[in-house]
Amino acid sequence: NAGVTQTPKFQVLKTGQSMTLQCAQDMNHEYMSWYRQDPGMGLRLIHYSVGAGITDQGEVPNGYNVSRSTTEDFPLRLLSAAPSQTSVYFCATQRGLSTDTQYFGPGTRLTVL
Amino acid sequence: AQSVTQPDIHITVSEGASLELRCNYSYGATPYLFWYVQSPGQGLQLLLKYFSGDTLVQGIKGFEAEFKRSQSSFNLRKPSVHWSDAAEYFCAVDRGSTLGRLYFGRGTQLTVWP
Repeated sequence: NAGVTQTPKFQVLKTGQSMTLQCAQDMNHEYMSWYRQDPGMGLRLIHYSVGAGITDQGEVPNGYNVSRSTTEDFPLRLLSAAPSQTSVYFCATQRGLSTDTQYFGPGTRLTVL
Repeated sequence: AQSVTQPDIHITVSEGASLELRCNYSYGATPYLFWYVQSPGQGLQLLLKYFSGDTLVQGIKGFEAEFKRSQSSFNLRKPSVHWSDAAEYFCAVDRGSTLGRLYFGRGTQLTVWP
């Protein structure tokens, strides 16, 4: 039981490049989300999904795309990376109720040059 | 508008001293309240959560937090800090309007002196 896994752990991109951050969970949780963490800003919600085929925007969705074709996976796509997207990205999962605990992955540190 | 305020960016305490980390929220109804801890280079781990009932909640690692509706606060406490408690602490709220949509404070960095 790996919980929440994220790949890669580190990534360096050039401005304009695209990439996908991977998030996978083996807990059969319905809810998955992506946050970004910037110094002094806490975590901010980018996108979330309440189940396969359903996604919605969070606080800071611009420049990011998501899809949820399976319960297990929730990839985050950067279509054209910008230096402002340099951040640490966390994926989180939750079983299905607001009272359930959210479990966070170990994070991906992304640098955009 | 900022939903969650952690007034202290950085706190330093001596090992064995007591600790209180402050958290205030701005929301009309009582939200769900959480404290998370993040060790360097790690993800976030839930310390404790409050939904309803007893306003003093116990968490892991000897932490507790008290919900005070009149002050819109949810402060985290520990009676005796250990060096291993050095980390960043985040308060978060779930307004209940959307499943699992957490709003985080900006965090408090805790340094523990030996």
